[in-house]
Amino acid sequence: QSVLTQPPSVSGAPGQRVTISCTGSSSNIGTGYDVHWYQQLPGTAPKLLIYGNRNRPSGVPDRFSGSKSGTSASLAITGLQAEDEADYYCQSYDSSLSGGVFGGGTKLTVL
Amino acid sequence: QVQLQESGPGLVKPSETLSLTCTVSGDSVSSYYWSWIRQSAEKGLEWIGRIYSSGSTNYNPSLKSRVTMSVDTSKNQFSLKLSSVTAADTAIYYCARVSGGSSMLWNWFDPWGQGTLVTVSS
Repeated sequence: QSVLTQPPSVSGAPGQRVTISCTGSSSNIGTGYDVHWYQQLPGTAPKLLIYGNRNRPSGVPDRFSGSKSGTSASLAITGLQAEDEADYYCQSYDSSLSGGVFGGGTKLTVL
Repeated sequence: QVQLQESGPGLVKPSETLSLTCTVSGDSVSSYYWSWIRQSAEKGLEWIGRIYSSGSTNYNPSLKSRVTMSVDTSKNQFSLKLSSVTAADTAIYYCARVSGGSSMLWNWFDPWGQGTLVTVSS
Protein backbone atom coordinates (compact mmCIF):
# COMPACT_ATOMS: atom_id res chain seq x y z
CA GLN A 1 0.00 0.00 0.00
CA SER A 2 1.65 3.20 -1.19
CA VAL A 3 1.63 6.35 0.93
CA LEU A 4 0.33 8.33 -2.04
CA THR A 5 -2.76 6.88 -3.67
CA GLN A 6 -3.25 6.87 -7.43
CA PRO A 7 -5.89 5.17 -9.56
CA PRO A 8 -4.47 1.96 -11.04
CA SER A 9 -5.53 2.88 -14.53
CA VAL A 10 -7.04 5.58 -16.69
CA SER A 11 -7.80 5.66 -20.38
CA GLY A 12 -8.75 8.07 -23.11
CA ALA A 13 -9.05 8.38 -26.84
CA PRO A 14 -6.53 10.29 -28.94
CA GLY A 15 -7.08 14.02 -28.61
CA GLN A 16 -8.95 13.77 -25.34
CA ARG A 17 -8.00 15.08 -21.91
CA VAL A 18 -7.29 12.81 -18.97
CA THR A 19 -6.38 13.52 -15.38
CA ILE A 20 -4.52 11.38 -12.88
CA SER A 21 -5.03 12.03 -9.19
CA CYS A 22 -2.55 11.60 -6.37
CA THR A 23 -4.05 11.60 -2.89
CA GLY A 24 -1.93 12.02 0.19
CA SER A 25 -2.39 13.05 3.78
CA SER A 26 -1.47 15.64 6.38
CA SER A 27 2.04 14.20 6.68
CA ASN A 28 2.93 14.77 3.03
CA ILE A 29 0.99 16.74 0.41
CA GLY A 30 -1.30 18.26 3.03
CA THR A 31 1.68 19.76 4.86
CA GLY A 32 2.58 21.69 1.74
CA TYR A 33 5.38 19.55 0.38
CA ASP A 34 5.79 19.68 -3.37
CA VAL A 35 4.49 16.98 -5.68
CA HIS A 36 6.50 15.77 -8.66
CA TRP A 37 5.41 13.53 -11.52
CA TYR A 38 7.25 10.95 -13.58
CA GLN A 39 6.45 9.12 -16.80
CA GLN A 40 7.69 5.57 -17.27
CA LEU A 41 7.47 4.19 -20.78
CA PRO A 42 7.50 0.40 -21.10
CA GLY A 43 10.91 -1.07 -20.33
CA THR A 44 12.51 2.26 -19.44
CA ALA A 45 13.40 4.23 -16.33
CA PRO A 46 11.05 6.88 -14.94
CA LYS A 47 11.49 10.31 -16.49
CA LEU A 48 10.71 13.61 -14.76
CA LEU A 49 7.54 15.15 -16.14
CA ILE A 50 6.52 17.82 -13.61
CA TYR A 51 8.44 19.22 -10.64
CA GLY A 52 7.38 21.58 -7.89
CA ASN A 53 3.69 20.83 -8.43
CA ARG A 54 3.35 22.56 -11.80
CA ASN A 55 6.74 23.15 -13.45
CA ARG A 56 7.74 21.40 -16.65
CA PRO A 57 11.38 20.57 -17.41
CA SER A 58 12.57 21.74 -20.80
CA GLY A 59 11.47 19.36 -23.51
CA VAL A 60 8.23 18.31 -21.84
CA PRO A 61 5.26 19.34 -23.98
CA ASP A 62 2.81 21.85 -22.53
CA ARG A 63 0.11 19.21 -22.98
CA PHE A 64 1.24 18.03 -19.55
CA SER A 65 0.30 20.13 -16.52
CA GLY A 66 0.24 19.67 -12.78
CA SER A 67 -1.75 21.13 -9.94
CA LYS A 68 -2.09 20.71 -6.20
CA SER A 69 -4.81 21.45 -3.69
CA GLY A 70 -5.11 20.39 -0.07
CA THR A 71 -3.99 16.81 0.34
CA SER A 72 -4.16 15.96 -3.38
CA ALA A 73 -2.43 16.69 -6.64
CA SER A 74 -3.34 16.06 -10.25
CA LEU A 75 -1.61 15.51 -13.55
CA ALA A 76 -3.55 16.55 -16.62
CA ILE A 77 -2.72 15.46 -20.14
CA THR A 78 -4.50 17.19 -23.01
CA GLY A 79 -4.51 16.28 -26.68
CA LEU A 80 -3.80 12.65 -25.81
CA GLN A 81 -1.38 10.88 -28.15
CA ALA A 82 -0.50 7.23 -28.59
CA GLU A 83 3.03 7.95 -27.34
CA ASP A 84 1.60 9.03 -23.98
CA GLU A 85 0.74 5.43 -23.16
CA ALA A 86 2.86 4.78 -20.08
CA ASP A 87 2.85 4.48 -16.30
CA TYR A 88 2.72 7.73 -14.33
CA TYR A 89 3.93 8.20 -10.77
CA CYS A 90 3.59 11.02 -8.26
CA GLN A 91 6.24 11.67 -5.60
CA SER A 92 6.49 13.85 -2.52
CA TYR A 93 8.06 13.96 0.94
CA ASP A 94 6.49 12.43 4.01
CA SER A 95 7.38 13.80 7.43
CA SER A 96 6.20 10.69 9.28
CA LEU A 97 8.40 8.45 7.17
CA SER A 98 11.21 11.02 6.95
CA GLY A 99 11.84 10.48 3.29
CA GLY A 100 10.66 10.58 -0.27
CA VAL A 101 7.51 8.65 -1.11
CA PHE A 102 5.90 7.59 -4.35
CA GLY A 103 2.41 6.81 -5.51
CA GLY A 104 1.56 3.30 -6.66
CA GLY A 105 1.47 4.39 -10.29
CA THR A 106 -1.27 4.82 -12.89
CA LYS A 107 -1.28 3.03 -16.20
CA LEU A 108 -2.53 5.26 -19.00
CA THR A 109 -4.06 3.51 -21.97
CA VAL A 110 -4.69 5.42 -25.17
CA LEU A 111 -7.67 3.77 -26.80
CA GLN B 1 23.92 15.98 -20.84
CA VAL B 2 24.05 14.08 -17.57
CA GLN B 3 24.03 10.30 -17.80
CA LEU B 4 24.00 7.73 -15.02
CA GLN B 5 24.85 4.05 -15.35
CA GLU B 6 24.31 1.40 -12.70
CA SER B 7 26.59 -1.62 -12.48
CA GLY B 8 26.92 -4.64 -10.25
CA PRO B 9 25.96 -8.29 -9.85
CA GLY B 10 22.54 -9.26 -11.12
CA LEU B 11 22.25 -12.18 -8.72
CA VAL B 12 22.85 -12.09 -4.98
CA LYS B 13 22.38 -14.93 -2.50
CA PRO B 14 20.08 -14.55 0.51
CA SER B 15 21.79 -13.10 3.60
CA GLU B 16 24.62 -11.67 1.51
CA THR B 17 25.32 -8.02 0.65
CA LEU B 18 24.08 -6.36 -2.51
CA SER B 19 26.62 -3.93 -3.97
CA LEU B 20 25.95 -1.50 -6.80
CA THR B 21 27.85 1.40 -8.32
CA CYS B 22 26.52 4.36 -10.28
CA THR B 23 28.88 6.06 -12.71
CA VAL B 24 28.05 9.65 -13.56
CA SER B 25 29.05 11.32 -16.80
CA GLY B 26 28.38 14.87 -17.93
CA ASP B 27 28.30 16.23 -14.39
CA SER B 28 30.34 16.11 -11.20
CA VAL B 29 29.23 14.04 -8.24
CA SER B 30 30.58 16.91 -6.13
CA SER B 31 27.78 19.20 -7.26
CA TYR B 32 24.60 17.49 -6.15
CA TYR B 33 22.97 14.97 -3.89
CA TRP B 34 22.55 11.51 -5.47
CA SER B 35 19.97 8.87 -4.73
CA TRP B 36 19.18 5.21 -5.04
CA ILE B 37 15.61 4.15 -5.78
CA ARG B 38 14.29 0.65 -6.38
CA GLN B 39 11.21 -0.71 -8.11
CA SER B 40 9.49 -4.00 -7.57
CA ALA B 41 6.09 -5.35 -8.46
CA GLU B 42 5.28 -5.79 -4.75
CA LYS B 43 6.34 -2.41 -3.40
CA GLY B 44 6.40 -0.17 -6.47
CA LEU B 45 8.93 2.66 -6.39
CA GLU B 46 10.81 2.92 -3.10
CA TRP B 47 13.34 5.62 -2.17
CA ILE B 48 16.39 4.02 -0.58
CA GLY B 49 18.44 7.06 0.34
CA ARG B 50 20.68 9.88 -0.82
CA ILE B 51 24.29 10.96 -0.46
CA TYR B 52 26.26 14.17 -0.93
CA SER B 53 29.87 14.42 -2.00
CA SER B 54 30.86 15.25 1.57
CA GLY B 55 29.60 11.80 2.56
CA SER B 56 26.50 13.14 4.25
CA THR B 57 23.66 10.63 3.92
CA ASN B 58 19.95 10.24 4.51
CA TYR B 59 18.40 6.79 4.42
CA ASN B 60 14.88 5.44 4.26
CA PRO B 61 14.17 4.53 7.90
CA SER B 62 12.72 1.18 6.84
CA LEU B 63 16.07 0.21 5.28
CA LYS B 64 18.47 2.26 7.36
CA SER B 65 19.87 -0.62 9.41
CA ARG B 66 20.99 -2.41 6.24
CA VAL B 67 22.01 0.43 3.90
CA THR B 68 25.37 2.06 3.36
CA MET B 69 26.06 4.64 0.66
CA SER B 70 29.41 6.05 -0.33
CA VAL B 71 30.83 8.39 -2.95
CA ASP B 72 34.12 8.35 -4.85
CA THR B 73 34.74 11.78 -6.32
CA SER B 74 37.95 10.66 -8.05
CA LYS B 75 35.96 8.17 -10.14
CA ASN B 76 32.81 10.29 -10.30
CA GLN B 77 30.84 7.41 -8.82
CA PHE B 78 28.62 6.68 -5.88
CA SER B 79 27.69 3.30 -4.46
CA LEU B 80 25.06 1.35 -2.57
CA LYS B 81 25.47 -1.57 -0.20
CA LEU B 82 22.44 -3.39 1.17
CA SER B 83 23.21 -6.12 3.66
CA SER B 84 21.36 -9.26 4.73
CA VAL B 85 19.26 -9.36 1.60
CA THR B 86 16.17 -11.51 1.18
CA ALA B 87 13.89 -12.25 -1.74
CA ALA B 88 11.98 -9.09 -0.82
CA ASP B 89 14.99 -7.06 -1.99
CA THR B 90 14.64 -8.37 -5.54
CA ALA B 91 14.00 -5.28 -7.65
CA ILE B 92 15.24 -2.98 -10.37
CA TYR B 93 17.67 -0.58 -8.74
CA TYR B 94 17.99 2.93 -10.14
CA CYS B 95 20.44 5.68 -9.37
CA ALA B 96 19.33 9.25 -9.86
CA ARG B 97 20.47 12.82 -9.42
CA VAL B 98 18.63 14.74 -6.71
CA SER B 99 17.32 18.23 -7.48
CA GLY B 100 15.46 20.78 -5.40
CA GLY B 101 18.17 21.77 -2.96
CA SER B 102 19.76 20.35 0.15
CA SER B 103 16.50 19.82 2.04
CA MET B 104 14.81 16.48 1.40
CA LEU B 105 11.44 18.18 1.78
CA TRP B 106 11.57 19.55 -1.77
CA ASN B 107 13.67 16.97 -3.62
CA TRP B 108 12.86 15.39 -6.94
CA PHE B 109 14.88 12.97 -9.09
CA ASP B 110 16.24 13.80 -12.53
CA PRO B 111 17.74 12.17 -14.47
CA TRP B 112 17.62 8.46 -13.68
CA GLY B 113 19.94 5.71 -14.78
CA GLN B 114 18.54 2.93 -16.93
CA GLY B 115 18.28 0.64 -13.92
CA THR B 116 19.72 -2.75 -13.12
CA LEU B 117 17.77 -5.84 -12.08
CA VAL B 118 19.03 -7.51 -8.94
CA THR B 119 17.60 -10.90 -8.07
CA VAL B 120 18.06 -12.41 -4.62
CA SER B 121 18.12 -16.17 -4.92
CA SER B 122 20.23 -19.13 -3.91
